[in-house]
Amino acid sequence: GESVGLHLPTLSVQEGDNSIINCAYSNSASDYFIWYKQESGKGPQFIIDIRSNMDKRQGQRVTVLLNKTVKHLSLQIAATQPGDSAVYFCAELQGAQKLVFGQGTRLTINP
Amino acid sequence: NAGVTQTPKFRILKIGQSMTLQCTQDMNHNYMYWYRQDPGMGLKLIYYSVGAGITDKGEVPNGYNVSRSTTEDFPLRLELAAPSQTSVYFCAVAEFLYEQYFGPGTRLTVT
Repeated sequence: GESVGLHLPTLSVQEGDNSIINCAYSNSASDYFIWYKQESGKGPQFIIDIRSNMDKRQGQRVTVLLNKTVKHLSLQIAATQPGDSAVYFCAELQGAQKLVFGQGTRLTINP
Repeated sequence: NAGVTQTPKFRILKIGQSMTLQCTQDMNHNYMYWYRQDPGMGLKLIYYSVGAGITDKGEVPNGYNVSRSTTEDFPLRLELAAPSQTSVYFCAVAEFLYEQYFGPGTRLTVT
């Protein structure tokens, strides 16, 4: 079946560097994607979203890029901080009411 | 304003026992969701509700039941607990479908 997946399960970056977390999706009809951050022992927290009619969307220190040609989504975090350590999930809207989550990427910040 | 509240935080069940996971919101949002998250994995949708009196199955509904008699409450019922139901359960709410707010989760172990 179609699903949302992630390229890498773990990512380590130096504090202050930029982080890029990738996500592949297989449903070309999907028109809405969300990135969530999940800290240890907590529920996921909304970061940023993007619709399929956009290629890029920016938030505070975060940017989401959408490449519909290769069905690829990425989350860029600028000047990574220790508080950015978490698991990051991409999610895809399938149908009218359902979000389908990917496996997640664990981001670790090295001092 | 507590947002989304889940009880209990932790629970250990024996095989065949039953229990209800509680989810309560004070955000007056119509959409409510139950997800399960297995170790190292993303979230899978169990059931959802678009308003009081309306519920529908998600991706993995077998072994669970829900009800939605009020806007505030969306309990999840396990009738005959099985080891495969060992997981962390998250309740989420949304005013619109997209930006879901998650509760802190219930960690359930079935032995």
